[in-house]
Amino acid sequence: DAGVIQSPRHEVTEMGQEVTLRCKPISGHNSLFWYRQTMMRGLELLIYFNNNVPIDDSGMPEDRFSAKMPNASFSTLKIQPSEPRDSAVYFCASSLVLGGRTGELFFGEGSRLTVL
Amino acid sequence: KQEVTQIPAALSVPEGENLVLNCSFTDSAIYNLQWFRQDPGKGLTSLLLIQSSQREQTSGRLNASLDKSSGRSTLYIAASQPGDSATYLCAVLLYNFNKFYFGSGTKLNVKP
Repeated sequence: DAGVIQSPRHEVTEMGQEVTLRCKPISGHNSLFWYRQTMMRGLELLIYFNNNVPIDDSGMPEDRFSAKMPNASFSTLKIQPSEPRDSAVYFCASSLVLGGRTGELFFGEGSRLTVL
Repeated sequence: KQEVTQIPAALSVPEGENLVLNCSFTDSAIYNLQWFRQDPGKGLTSLLLIQSSQREQTSGRLNASLDKSSGRSTLYIAASQPGDSATYLCAVLLYNFNKFYFGSGTKLNVKP
């Protein structure tokens, strides 16, 4: 079991540049979550998908953020244009939803983003 | 909105001590509660998942309990070891909102 796989692990970019973070969920899981973690705000849910469909994107900070899940094994989180306040660790997590309820949540190792 | 609180924010204990980490939540209509461990620079590792119908779960030296009526969960770590040093987070899934609410974590340091 490879677990949730995220790339890149580290990204340093300059303000205004586009950033794309990638995630491969655990095979067989049908729900995928994007979180952001900072010292100030802790873990924040940005968006989650169920069966590749975005269910709740109320945590997406603003229009500069977008997420897609074109198939069950791949998702992207894009920031365009990036700003220094976007610097954080971005986590992807997946789970199996049964009967409409989320089961055990499994996290990737995270993508540490630094925007200069 | 569900509020999840973990107190204390940090804890330092000598090796071998038994310890309890606390997690409090305001809405008792939870579906499940999950405890995680996070090492510096790493992702969150699932430790234990307790369903709402359960009172406790055990894995090795870890035991998690759930009391919905009082809005509390505890994570008991027996015979602590320096390798247990990490941040421990709890997360609550509500019946009405199918997403997890996380506490801010307790940073544990076990001194050799």
